[in-house]
Amino acid sequence: DAGVIQSPRHEVTEMGQEVTLRCKPISGHNSLFWYRQTMMRGLELLIYFNNNVPIDDSGMPEDRFSAKMPNASFSTLKIQPSEPRDSAVYFCASSRTGYTGELFFGEGSRLTVL
Amino acid sequence: GENVEQHPSTLSVQEGDSAVIKCTYSDSASNYFPWYKQELGKRPQLIIDIRSNVGEKKDQRIAVTLNKTAKHFSLHITETQPEDSAVYFCAASNSGNTPLVFGKGTRLSVIA
Repeated sequence: DAGVIQSPRHEVTEMGQEVTLRCKPISGHNSLFWYRQTMMRGLELLIYFNNNVPIDDSGMPEDRFSAKMPNASFSTLKIQPSEPRDSAVYFCASSRTGYTGELFFGEGSRLTVL
Repeated sequence: GENVEQHPSTLSVQEGDSAVIKCTYSDSASNYFPWYKQELGKRPQLIIDIRSNVGEKKDQRIAVTLNKTAKHFSLHITETQPEDSAVYFCAASNSGNTPLVFGKGTRLSVIA
């Protein structure tokens, strides 16, 4: 298996633009997580899907952030409009067993908002 | 909710020495405690985990200890090597009910 695949790896955009990050989880994993990593705040959980259904979105910072999982093999995280404080590395991770299974992280998407 | 504190934030050791990283957690219901290693520019990867029904777990040069009474757990790396240099994250969750909460990370540097 190729592991969790994220795109794009790097994104540079201007404030106010829409950003869409994409994730393909490992086949057979029923749980998918979006994390944001910054120096100041570390690894923060944004949203958790189980069997394509959002279970916990309490970490989504505000209405500018939205996430979807239309099927078991694809998820998106959208930021609209983007702001400089959204600059971070966004990781997607999947697992077989929700919160207490090993998380397999993607390579991450480094977002820079100017 | 759960809060995980991790210390130290940076740690430098000589090659061959041991390294210890400590974490405390706040939710007494937490019962799953993984450790992730993140090399520079790479993704975090699980290196070891422990569940609350055991007090210690070892895997070659790596061991984790858990003290549920005191609500703290530690990562021990023996005979450190330069390739152990990375950021290490501890985390805690209440099996199935709450998401993993990560500590802020410890940057370990092993000096050859």
